[in-house]
Amino acid sequence: KQEVTQIPAALSVPEGENLVLNCSFTDSAIYNLQWFRQDPGKGLTSLLLIQSSQREQTSGRLNASLDKSSGRSTLYIAASQPGDSATYLCAVPNDMDSNYQLIWGAGTKLIIKP
Amino acid sequence: EPEVTQTPSHQVTQMGQEVILRCVPISNHLYFYWYRQILGQKVEFLVSFYNNEISEKSEIFDDQFSVERPDGSNFTLKIRSTKLEDSAMYFCASSEFGHPTSGELFFGEGSRLTVL
Repeated sequence: KQEVTQIPAALSVPEGENLVLNCSFTDSAIYNLQWFRQDPGKGLTSLLLIQSSQREQTSGRLNASLDKSSGRSTLYIAASQPGDSATYLCAVPNDMDSNYQLIWGAGTKLIIKP
Repeated sequence: EPEVTQTPSHQVTQMGQEVILRCVPISNHLYFYWYRQILGQKVEFLVSFYNNEISEKSEIFDDQFSVERPDGSNFTLKIRSTKLEDSAMYFCASSEFGHPTSGELFFGEGSRLTVL
C-alpha cells in the first residue's frame, strides 16, 4: 500500500533563503506526483504536477524534481518570501489502476521570517 | 481561469442532522471527487464519480454518505446523519480525464463542516 511521507514536518527560515522540501513514497510505480500549497484554513492550490517520465518541473521560483527509483521528490523554493509561508503537501495516485485516488503526505509547514 | 467552487465555506450543524455540501466543477470536466481533511490529519479520499455513478469509494464513504449530480453543473455530497467525527474540511475536485496520465486534479477552496 502506497504511503507518502514528508520531512520535515515544519521548517522556519529567514526571508531570502533557498530551501528544499522533501517527499518520499513507498511504491515507485506512480504515474505522477503533485505538489500543493495550503494556507491556514484554506483550500488546496496545485503548484506543480510532475509526470513519471519527467525529472523536473519548474514554475517561477519553484522547482520540483522526481526520482522514481528512489521514491523521492523535492520541492525547491528559491529566494523565499514571507508570502511563501504555508503548508506544502505532496500527493501521488494510489495505484496504477486507480482513477485519481490521491494518497497524501502530512505536509511541511513552512514559515518564512521577514 | 476556470475554477472549482464550493458552498458553503463553513457550516455548523447539530449531530444527527443532514448536511449537503455543494460543488460546481470546472465546466468541461467529467470526473468529480470528494476528499476530506480532519484538522491536523492528512487529506483522505472519499469518492470519485463519473457518468452519473460512483467509480470508486473509500472505507470512509459508508451508507451515511451519498453523492449526486442533480443537474449539469452541480455535484453534491450529502451526509445523512452527521456525527462529531464528520467535522472536517471537505474538498471537491474535478478533472478532465479520469486517469493520472492525462492531467491533474483541480480542487475547490473547501467547505468546513463543524458538527456540535
